[in-house]
Amino acid sequence: DVKVTQSSRYLVKRTGEKVFLECVQDMDHENMFWYRQDPGLGLRLIYFSYDVKMKEKGDIPEGYSVSREKKERFSLILESASTNQTSMYLCASSPLGTTPSYEQYFGPGTRLTVT
Amino acid sequence: DQQVKQNSPSLSVQEGRISILNCDYTNSMFDYFLWYKKYPAEGPTFLISISSIKDKNEDGRFTVFLNKSAKHLSLHIVPSQPGDSAVYFCAASAVGNQFYFGTGTSLTVIP
Repeated sequence: DVKVTQSSRYLVKRTGEKVFLECVQDMDHENMFWYRQDPGLGLRLIYFSYDVKMKEKGDIPEGYSVSREKKERFSLILESASTNQTSMYLCASSPLGTTPSYEQYFGPGTRLTVT
Repeated sequence: DQQVKQNSPSLSVQEGRISILNCDYTNSMFDYFLWYKKYPAEGPTFLISISSIKDKNEDGRFTVFLNKSAKHLSLHIVPSQPGDSAVYFCAASAVGNQFYFGTGTSLTVIP
């Protein structure tokens, strides 16, 4: 079974803090993704990565950065957290090498609250 | 602008009856569509998919229908079971591009 794990299920941070969300997958997938899920807006793509050290902006990259130093790990970084970044963050991976199509496997999510 | 829309935020169905979840899209370049199911406190899990060369795909109790001319897809669950109660997301992509997700429909199956 594909397993995607996220470092925290719940996180509370203060405005202005630097926040790291970690994601690890154990199936040697090339593609990894970070989404946020908000009521009435569905899942929106923040960043994705095709391979180690590669990254591509999604629909809402502002205020976020990512890091992929190893194939199995994809980190989402909030450089200076703001209250509008309070959300559910979902990491996903998929097995294709060059395109982000086809089914993705999701982690359980991290509920981030910024106060 | 939302390219994939699920206009019904919620749906309630009696156990054993059919559940029909709907999804509309605006981008005619989309050629691959998926449905995901999400339980509370869990990540979405893949349910069923369909490519644009087909108009129907069936997997057990789940069938997805695609109407390209109307830019509409639907998920049918027959018979519905209480364990089907979850939020359902549809998603669409064009080849080589990211997926766009709908806003989700919360299905409740009443025993």
